[in-house]
Amino acid sequence: AQSVTQLDSQVPVFEEAPVELRCNYSSSVSVYLFWYVQYPNQGLQLLLKYLSGSTLVKGINGFEAEFNKSQTSFHLRKPSVHISDTAEYFCAAQGAQKLVFGQGTRLTINP
Amino acid sequence: GAGVSQSPSNKVTEKGKDVELRCDPISGHTALYWYRQSLGQGLEFLIYFQGNSAPDKSGLPSDRFSAERTGGSVSTLTIQRTQQEDSAVYLCASNAIGGAGHEQYFGPGTRLTVT
Repeated sequence: AQSVTQLDSQVPVFEEAPVELRCNYSSSVSVYLFWYVQYPNQGLQLLLKYLSGSTLVKGINGFEAEFNKSQTSFHLRKPSVHISDTAEYFCAAQGAQKLVFGQGTRLTINP
Repeated sequence: GAGVSQSPSNKVTEKGKDVELRCDPISGHTALYWYRQSLGQGLEFLIYFQGNSAPDKSGLPSDRFSAERTGGSVSTLTIQRTQQEDSAVYLCASNAIGGAGHEQYFGPGTRLTVT
């Protein structure tokens, strides 16, 4: 079974500042890792995913994440955020079919 | 092309009534998933369909919850004798072939409020 922990429920940052959203996972088997974003009153949209290979994964909207097997982490980063990045971000692990989600991190951008 | 659609977008029902939530996956997608998003529990998996079969229904919280899929396309999630704790946003997702490592495309959800 997998579990996912997002260490911060809310992260406030200033516009154009860098941001890191933290995610740790646990699993007894190999997993695939995902970051999804949910804008207000919308469904989930895939930002990026890690399947294998290079541990640095680049996604849409300038986001990237680094898979660290020894620390069982998959932190999401963006070097400079924009107001439009205000949303809730979900880290997820997948062993077979279903996605197992973390509790989400609400990113708020202050001007 | 068209994405995953869900109806209704909002549903308010009285405790004890039955409700049906509908999901139209992306055309040609054989795998379909239902998730529930609630304040207390976050995002939880409910059930997975491959075609019309449901090989994984481990997330259904009680026997009041059931789902079916017909023609390998539309799916209906039914909640009988609704309770206040069923209030949540019910999300549907689909992808082309199922299996691990593939993006699941999500619909906008149905917000269910049980009064």
